[in-house]
Amino acid sequence: GIQVEQSPPDLILQEGANSTLRCNFSDSVNNLQWFHQNPWGQLINLFYIPSGTKQNGRLSATTVATERYSLLYISSSQTTDSGVYFCAVFKAAGNKLTFGGGTRVLVKP
Amino acid sequence: DAGVTQSPTHLIKTRGQQVTLRCSPISGHKSVSWYQQVLGQGPQFIFQYYEKEERGRGNFPDRFSARQFPNYSSELNVNALLLGDSALYLCASSFGARVETQYFGPGTRLLVL
Repeated sequence: GIQVEQSPPDLILQEGANSTLRCNFSDSVNNLQWFHQNPWGQLINLFYIPSGTKQNGRLSATTVATERYSLLYISSSQTTDSGVYFCAVFKAAGNKLTFGGGTRVLVKP
Repeated sequence: DAGVTQSPTHLIKTRGQQVTLRCSPISGHKSVSWYQQVLGQGPQFIFQYYEKEERGRGNFPDRFSARQFPNYSSELNVNALLLGDSALYLCASSFGARVETQYFGPGTRLLVL
């Protein structure tokens, strides 16, 4: 099956810092999503981004489908950005959503 | 509108016991998927049900089973619990059969002692 790898596994930031999270995947996909999981376990969708760039406030994401990777940018980080960020890829053949291992982000005040 | 709801929120069982987890999808959604998330890892797909039929199954043993009811709610059953079954169990719903656009519930935390 498709492999999804995220880096770095852990990230500690000072409030106000910028950061980049990476997601590599091993096969072509129909869609890619970025999620934020809060400390209580709730998964919140941040972006659907099969290709190109999208921005939502201080977050933006870029997917380069031909090179099989996606990046999530966090700018001017806040303590509320803490949690685990997952990317997940969707393949229509098989109708399956496959998650990466996540990047655990801690933003210190 | 209410989101995906799951019950119970937390559960403690002992090895060998059986457990049933419940999920109610967003109103109008006909597909329910179940995921297992072990501590420190990403969610792993267990089952998908659409219109009360199993549409997908992940790489989990036969101790795991599920069903979907006429109102599209779903139950996940795990028999003969092992310590390794301790995890956060997530339910997600979508309108159609494609799991591309799913909304996740808050999860049930299962601890097996």
